[in-house]
Amino acid sequence: DQQVKQNSPSLSVQEGRISILNCDYTNSMFDYFLWYKKYPAEGPTFLISISSIKDKNEDGRFTVFLNKSAKHLSLHIVPSQPGDSAVYFCAASGNTDKLIFGTGTRLQVFP
Amino acid sequence: GAVVSQHPSRVICKSGTSVKIECRSLDFQATTMFWYRQFPKQSLMLMATSNEGSKATYEQGVEKDKFLINHASLTLSTLTVTSAHPEDSSFYICSAVNSAYGYTFGSGTRLTVV
Repeated sequence: DQQVKQNSPSLSVQEGRISILNCDYTNSMFDYFLWYKKYPAEGPTFLISISSIKDKNEDGRFTVFLNKSAKHLSLHIVPSQPGDSAVYFCAASGNTDKLIFGTGTRLQVFP
Repeated sequence: GAVVSQHPSRVICKSGTSVKIECRSLDFQATTMFWYRQFPKQSLMLMATSNEGSKATYEQGVEKDKFLINHASLTLSTLTVTSAHPEDSSFYICSAVNSAYGYTFGSGTRLTVV
C-alpha cells in the first residue's frame, strides 16, 4: 500500500526552464511534507518542507505547493540547473515522526 | 547543522554471517531514529523505528529477529542483519529526528551478501 506516490519516474528539462515534480498521497493524517534530493549510494539531502497549515513555501529556486483537498504537492525548481540532476523523493509524516517516502522521480537537466 | 554518521559505508559479507551497521548523531541527541532500506531504483522503505531505551517498532513484513535494532544511547542506534542472505543485499539508511534539526539522514550503507 503505497501511501505516497510519485507517478512520474523520470523527467527531463532543459537548463534554465522550470522543473515540476509531483507527489500524491492518500493518508489524510499526513500534515508535514518534505522534498529530498538523492544521489546513488548516498543518503537523502533535505531540500524544502511544508506544513499542512500552508499552501506554499519558497526557498530560493525551490518552491513547494500543497493542495490538501487534492492530496497533492509539487516541487518547482526554477531556473533548473544541470547540478539539479538527481532523484527527488517527496516524503510525508503525520501524528507520528515516521517519514513515508514516495517512489521517486529522476530529474535530468540538460544544457 | 546536524550530522548523522553512518558506518560502514559499504560492506561485503558471506552468506550466513551477521553484519552490524552503526548510526550516530554527532552533535545532537536523538531519542528516535529510523532505519530505511532501499532497493535499486526503488523508494526508501521504512523498516523500523528505534527508540532509545526501549524496543524497536518494526513495520509490517520486517522480521525483527533478522534485523536486530539496539538504541542504547541518545546518540547511537545499531542495526544488525543476522544470518545475512543475498536477498538482504540492499542500501540501508538511518535517520535521526530532533525537535531542533528535524530529520537528518546518514550517508547510507551498501550491504552486499555473497
